Amino acid sequence: QQQVKQSPQSLIVQKGGISIINCAYENTAFDYFPWYQQFPGKGPALLIAIRPDVSEKKEGRFTISFNKSAKQFSLHIMDSQPGDSATYFCAASRDSGNTPLVFGKGTRLSVIA
Amino acid sequence: DGGITQSPKYLFRKEGQNVTLSCEQNLNHDAMYWYRQDPGQGLRLIYYSQIVNDFQKGDIAEGYSVSREKKESFPLTVTSAQKNPTAFYLCASSTMTGQYEQYFGPGTRLTVT
Repeated sequence: QQQVKQSPQSLIVQKGGISIINCAYENTAFDYFPWYQQFPGKGPALLIAIRPDVSEKKEGRFTISFNKSAKQFSLHIMDSQPGDSATYFCAASRDSGNTPLVFGKGTRLSVIA
Repeated sequence: DGGITQSPKYLFRKEGQNVTLSCEQNLNHDAMYWYRQDPGQGLRLIYYSQIVNDFQKGDIAEGYSVSREKKESFPLTVTSAQKNPTAFYLCASSTMTGQYEQYFGPGTRLTVT
């Protein structure tokens, strides 16, 4: 049973456009939601994370939107650049569960000029 | 220079042979993880360890074994019982499990023929 569902699987965006990646979770006990960015042949790296006490978090061109009632969260990349081309993973974990992150299956983003 | 090292970057083995992948961290992290990455499958957890001399199975532990004799090291053995071992293997660590940033190593690409 997949606990975090991520969509789309792949995404092509024009340079300067907005990239949007969505994730939905099932476990209402989840309360930490990070996004990781992975370039080809490299390990993923933390991009931005949110906890459910806020509905939005912004860091530079990257924004997480969180909808607790819908059990959904999304990553928005504003003014997308070719250097943003990578695979993005959403993840979730529980507060005091001492359990590892549960990852989505990833979205391959291509930003074309 | 702190971080996680995985060696080697590329590994080739014949079918039926056991192979051990190395993972070392100097971040003084208590928790360490092994993931397997296949195209379109995201990051699947193999094993994780929260403390020395203790580890737990992840979602796809069959055909793999680990040890945690030192805080800094968490080697993964891919045994001959693993039916489809060719994949990209990622090691990660974090201060603790759950709501803490996971730092990933550069990965080892294992090819078994």
